[in-house]
Amino acid sequence: GDSVTQTEGLVTLTEGLPVMLNCTYQTAYSTFLFWYVQHLNEAPKLLLKSSTDNKRTEHQGFHATLHKSSSSFHLQKSSAQLSDSALYYCALNGNEKITFGAGTKLTIKP
Amino acid sequence: ETAVFQTPNYHVTQVGNEVSFNCKQTLGHDTMYWYKQDSKKLLKIMFSYNNKQLIVNETVPRRFSPQSSDKAHLNLRIKSVEPEDSAVYLCASSPGQRGTGQLYFGEGSKLTVL
Repeated sequence: GDSVTQTEGLVTLTEGLPVMLNCTYQTAYSTFLFWYVQHLNEAPKLLLKSSTDNKRTEHQGFHATLHKSSSSFHLQKSSAQLSDSALYYCALNGNEKITFGAGTKLTIKP
Repeated sequence: ETAVFQTPNYHVTQVGNEVSFNCKQTLGHDTMYWYKQDSKKLLKIMFSYNNKQLIVNETVPRRFSPQSSDKAHLNLRIKSVEPEDSAVYLCASSPGQRGTGQLYFGEGSKLTVL
């Protein structure tokens, strides 16, 4: 079946430093990859999505590039802000459903 | 702007009781889902419906039963709750069929089983 792996459960960074959250996946289907963000006491919301190999996708200062050769879709940002503190999920759509990774809790300190 | 509405937002109950969660979406989407978000924040799909038809039925206990009256509504009933059912239940909708589109989530229904 489909699977999504996020290797970091918790990431703590100082404001202004770059952010990189890892995501790798396994699926037998041609697929979309997504990043969702969930702020405290809010619903998860879509941050980025992509289905195009080797194309950079950007939104709200975050970017990710889908690499099908390595089955990866890492999330990056050049400079972290306090408001980026949240739970980040990588997800893929496979056979009739969207599967989520375990999530990475990102905490940005002043 | 919220377009997926869930009720109730919170519910506290005792083991063995029945509970129902309601979900309505005003986005005109064809597909709706129930996800469970546990205490470790793991998001697991439970069910999905496309135009009132059940598409995905993951391995969940039989005490859970979804119900869809039309493509804008998807409810979840738990017949006899257990302590491990304590979680946030998230309803979502999608513009694509069969999981091809992005998900729009409701605010969630937090269940606490005493």
